[in-house]
Amino acid sequence: GESVGLHLPTLSVQEGDNSIINCAYSNSASDYFIWYKQESGKGPQFIIDIRSNMDKRQGQRVTVLLNKTVKHLSLQIAATQPGDSAVYFCAEKTSGSRLTFGEGTQLTVNP
Amino acid sequence: DAGVIQSPRHEVTEMGQEVTLRCKPISGHDYLFWYRQTMMRGLELLIYFNNNVPIDDSGMPEDRFSAKMPNASFSTLKIQPSEPRDSAVYFCASSLGQGPYFGPGTRLTVT
Repeated sequence: GESVGLHLPTLSVQEGDNSIINCAYSNSASDYFIWYKQESGKGPQFIIDIRSNMDKRQGQRVTVLLNKTVKHLSLQIAATQPGDSAVYFCAEKTSGSRLTFGEGTQLTVNP
Repeated sequence: DAGVIQSPRHEVTEMGQEVTLRCKPISGHDYLFWYRQTMMRGLELLIYFNNNVPIDDSGMPEDRFSAKMPNASFSTLKIQPSEPRDSAVYFCASSLGQGPYFGPGTRLTVT
């Protein structure tokens, strides 16, 4: 079946470095994508989204890139801070309003 | 603005008991989602509503699970009878165009 997957289950970076978290998706008909951050014991927190008619979107310290040719989504975090340590999920809207989540990447920021 | 509100935050019950989880979506949102998260299966969509009407309940595990949305500001997820394999974190989420935005979750433990 179609699914959203992550290339790296864990990512460890130094404080102040930039982080890049990657995600592959397989449904070429998906038209909406979201990145979520989930800290331990909390619900997924909406970070940034992008629609399929765009290839880049920027937020505060975060940028999402969408490459529809290779069905790839990435989240870039600038000047990573210890508070950025969490599990990051990509999600794609497949059919209707159904959102399919990837497996998650654990980001660890070392001081 | 208040986010999605869920209650209770933690629930411990014995096998065979009825469990009711509650959710208040973000005011004005027209979609409401119930998700379940486990280590083994990740985030799974159970059911979602649009304007209080159930649209897709294909993720509801079995007849022991039921969900209702009597009005735009309240939804329940009921499990009757509960089983140990229902132990998980249950999230409610809501959206209006963008999102969804998640609540803090209810951690359910069935012994």
